[in-house]
Amino acid sequence: GQNIDQPTEMTATEGAIVQINCTYQTSGFNGLFWYQQHAGEAPTFLSYNVLDGLEEKGRFSSFLSRSKGYSYLLLKELQMKDSASYLCAVLDSNYQLIWGAGTKLIIKP
Amino acid sequence: ETGVTQTPRHLVMGMTNKKSLKCEQHLGHNAMYWYKQSAKKPLELMFVYSLEERVENNSVPSRFSPECPNSSHLFLHLHTLQPEDSALYLCASSQPSDRGLYNEQFFGPGTRLTVL
Repeated sequence: GQNIDQPTEMTATEGAIVQINCTYQTSGFNGLFWYQQHAGEAPTFLSYNVLDGLEEKGRFSSFLSRSKGYSYLLLKELQMKDSASYLCAVLDSNYQLIWGAGTKLIIKP
Repeated sequence: ETGVTQTPRHLVMGMTNKKSLKCEQHLGHNAMYWYKQSAKKPLELMFVYSLEERVENNSVPSRFSPECPNSSHLFLHLHTLQPEDSALYLCASSQPSDRGLYNEQFFGPGTRLTVL
């Protein structure tokens, strides 16, 4: 079966760095997405990785290792507004998105 | 504001009621999706419409009935729901997926549905 694993909840301190991991087992791979979802709001796109390596976009970076079935989202200089759920999703061989359950990130002052 | 709107934002209904959820996108996309989001569970894809034709239903119970009258509008008709159907129902749109291209999905804010 297809499976996406990510931690259920993480806590970090304002101004610090946090890494949210995602591991996947899917039938084929056509890329991995990270979305951010604030409570009561729509998920919004953060990043897309299809090649191995690190993609940096401001305070947020996303890393992919296809051979290990592994990705992480790195958030730097954390701000209170970064408190949200972070969803990992993989595009499989049929171009269907397989979603993880999301990681709830709590930022403390 | 993602360009995808959903109404109503909140809905409470009894098991014998009939109601409809509405989604509208202003992004010129040709694919639209219904997802169910339950607490601490992955997003569940319910229906996909590409170019106004349904391409996926993932064995969703028949008490959920989608309708896509045009590429900008999507409905989810609900009847005789069960309490376990209580969840956040999200609509999304994108350009249709194609080989060699990824297409980011844009989500609406969702309808919080409670079935009593």
